[in-house]
Amino acid sequence: GAVVSQHPSWVICKSGTSVKIECRSLDFQATTMFWYRQFPKQSLMLMATSNEGSKATYEQGVEKDKFLINHASLTLSTLTVTSAHPEDSSFYICSALLAGRTDTQYFGPGTRLTVL
Amino acid sequence: GESVGLHLPTLSVQEGDNSIINCAYSNSASDYFIWYKQESGKGPQFIIDIRSNMDKRQGQRVTVLLNKTVKHLSLQIAATQPGDSAVYFCAENRLTGGGNKLTFGTGTQLKVEL
Repeated sequence: GAVVSQHPSWVICKSGTSVKIECRSLDFQATTMFWYRQFPKQSLMLMATSNEGSKATYEQGVEKDKFLINHASLTLSTLTVTSAHPEDSSFYICSALLAGRTDTQYFGPGTRLTVL
Repeated sequence: GESVGLHLPTLSVQEGDNSIINCAYSNSASDYFIWYKQESGKGPQFIIDIRSNMDKRQGQRVTVLLNKTVKHLSLQIAATQPGDSAVYFCAENRLTGGGNKLTFGTGTQLKVEL
């Protein structure tokens, strides 16, 4: 149980284009999902907290107009990287909290974004 | 400042030996800690967790120890196997104004030598 999927698993795009990444909780409902970013050989850095039916909360230094988050249902959150640039190339990972829980996060497999 | 950090960036062990990965934290108010395993190109995988009202918790081949006096957390892996090779992160669950958030340590690369 508590499986989280991400789509796509990897994507290559041209500079200036937008890319959408999906995060789904497959066998549970998640009122809260999180988006992380991880550069090579580094730790996970929280980008934003996504709450179903409300606006996402972004961490300091994360541009909300560049990283658009939509949590339209209890099982789906999307992250759209707008006008992507090479410096946005990274490993993007989502996680989900079981509805009613406030602690254990279940992580997706990650999406590798490469911007040319 | 408040942080969660790891003592060693790389740990090499022989197959069959026990591994110990350490983590220091500075927020004495933290009440929940988690260890994650991350293999190359994959998302973090939950290993074991511990709450601040405990000092030890055991799972299958893994044990987490919490020393609140010195703010230290460790993960012990018994009879380390090649499949244990990965990066291990400790994470601290903190209650902030924006809700519960995980703060990850820098990670330790565990290499199992045959």
